[in-house]
Amino acid sequence: GESVGLHLPTLSVQEGDNSIINCAYSNSASDYFIWYKQESGKGPQFIIDIRSNMDKRQGQRVTVLLNKTVKHLSLQIAATQPGDSAVYFCAENPRRVDMRFGAGTRLTVKP
Amino acid sequence: EAQVTQNPRYLITVTGKKLTVTCSQNMNHEYMSWYRQDPGLGLRQIYYSMNVEVTDKGDVPEGYKVSRKEKRNFPLILESPSPNQTSLYFCASRLLPGELFFGEGSRLTVL
Repeated sequence: GESVGLHLPTLSVQEGDNSIINCAYSNSASDYFIWYKQESGKGPQFIIDIRSNMDKRQGQRVTVLLNKTVKHLSLQIAATQPGDSAVYFCAENPRRVDMRFGAGTRLTVKP
Repeated sequence: EAQVTQNPRYLITVTGKKLTVTCSQNMNHEYMSWYRQDPGLGLRQIYYSMNVEVTDKGDVPEGYKVSRKEKRNFPLILESPSPNQTSLYFCASRLLPGELFFGEGSRLTVL
């Protein structure tokens, strides 16, 4: 069945290191993907998106990579800061109006 | 400021007592949606609306109702709440095919 999943439920990194959060999706019809960040007590906030006609997209300190061959999505955060500690969700949009979300990865940044 | 506003943010109620969670957006988005978030299950869609008077079921619609009489408002109605509806609820809106904008969440406890 359709699913959006994450390889690891938790990730702990040292401040200043780079973080990589992974996501697997199963619907090959998905043409739009988003990464969201959710801080404690808040709603998910948009970080970066990518469409299926791209392999890579960069933002400020963040990069999203899309590998359609293996249906894999990753979020790279450069020079991770304490303020990056949060739960990160990937979401796919399989050519329908709804979005499918993964369960999330909790990123903890150690000082 | 562009935002999605939900009320109440916190609510404790008892089984069977009807309640409504309001949602309003000021971005003129056609699309609105409700999600519930439970530990380990991520965000699951309850209902969505493509436009005024157009609503459809998401993945977990049982026990919920919605209405879309105006473009900016999309209330979630629990006619007879049960303890398994204890959850964190998010309203979201989007301008298709773009990102979802989320509200701050409504934490509901049904005793």
